[in-house]
Amino acid sequence: EVQLVESGGGLVQPGGSLRLSCAASGFTFSNYAMYWVRQAPGKGLQYVSDISGNGHSTFYANSVKGRFIVSRDNSKNTLYLQMGSLRPEDMAVYYCAREDGYNYYLDYWGQGTLVSVSS
Amino acid sequence: EIVLTQSPATLSLSPGERATLSCRASQSVSSYLAWYQQKPGQAPRLLIYDASNRATGIPARFSGSGSGTDFTLTISSLDPEDFAVYYCHQRINWPRTFGQGTKVEIK
Repeated sequence: EVQLVESGGGLVQPGGSLRLSCAASGFTFSNYAMYWVRQAPGKGLQYVSDISGNGHSTFYANSVKGRFIVSRDNSKNTLYLQMGSLRPEDMAVYYCAREDGYNYYLDYWGQGTLVSVSS
Repeated sequence: EIVLTQSPATLSLSPGERATLSCRASQSVSSYLAWYQQKPGQAPRLLIYDASNRATGIPARFSGSGSGTDFTLTISSLDPEDFAVYYCHQRINWPRTFGQGTKVEIK
């Protein structure tokens, strides 16, 4: 059974940093691109970043480029999102999701971890 | 960046009625568009990919159509479990984007 479990969320002050993790199980992690998608309270889904299976290619939303870094450790089956220079508008539930290797859409999602940015 | 605009923002319908949701792209996404369903407190679930293909386990009452810039998600007869928020999503290029969502609520 495919499972994605996010962790690392919490309260951080504006300008601060936080690292999110997503532990994957039930599939060959290195074969799949992985995504971060966020959802501000009461708002819609927003793409944040994604990374190829081997970690060599990374992509970002314009709103986080230069502040967030996505990475993965395939030996640990874990996806990361290093978030820096956090702003109040970064407050959201952050989901990790797997990109289906055939159709290239997001077929499995974690339950999310909440990041709060406030002084 | 491709902007996806969904309409209407809210659709108020009764169980058994037909729901028609729209997603319009600011430039062509060919058929590289998906629809997701999200219920309160849950992660999104993939319903439709490549504009018209149902994902595994999705009931036949869900169907998608369109190509280029105009897409439609149709729920032929609303089941009580279908009241949720629906998002479209494009994967033709980066950054990936989502529409702002359509809420299907019980009338």
